Amino acid sequence: QQQVKQSPQSLIVQKGGISIINCAYENTAFDYFPWYQQFPGKGPALLIAIRPDVSEKKEGRFTISFNKSAKQFSLHIMDSQPGDSATYFCAASMDSSYKLIFGSGTRLLVRP
Amino acid sequence: DAGVIQSPRHEVTEMGQEVTLRCKPISGHDYLFWYRQTMMRGLELLIYFNNNVPIDDSGMPEDRFSAKMPNASFSTLKIQPSEPRDSAVYFCASSRGLGYNEQFFGPGTRLTVL
Repeated sequence: QQQVKQSPQSLIVQKGGISIINCAYENTAFDYFPWYQQFPGKGPALLIAIRPDVSEKKEGRFTISFNKSAKQFSLHIMDSQPGDSATYFCAASMDSSYKLIFGSGTRLLVRP
Repeated sequence: DAGVIQSPRHEVTEMGQEVTLRCKPISGHDYLFWYRQTMMRGLELLIYFNNNVPIDDSGMPEDRFSAKMPNASFSTLKIQPSEPRDSAVYFCASSRGLGYNEQFFGPGTRLTVL
């Protein structure tokens, strides 16, 4: 019940296309859902995060869509650029616990 | 601020040797986390500290692993004795306060145990 399932494992998108990464969770006590971006040789860095009181959050080309009833959330990258090529991790946590439970990661490649 | 600092960046050792990884969190951050990243298991939380006190070490794989935080600006993760299956990238992260606060990750230490 503590798991966060992430798909796909890898994704190839043409420049200008939309990248979509999906995550699902079981524990309804989760109330914070961040996405982290990791470039090769670097540590993960927070990209965008959402709480379940909203269904969507947008920051620039990056949007999180959240479906509380389905216990799913997704990251959409609009107008994908080669510089977006990285590994993306979804995560979840509960306010009462400081632990972040990470998904397995999605390796995104944006072709020029 | 320089961000989270980890050393060494790369470590190659032989099975059975002791390995010590070091971390300096961001000044003013009161939470410190140690993660391990492998292809097979992804990002796993090993242990985290609040105000230098270990809060949850349930992710520490076995007694060969130990972590300390003697002061607010320094933490170590020690593996003794090391085994080939410990080969991974180890990340340290820090954050300020409770709730939905961002964790800032260091660059990681790539450990190879031969």
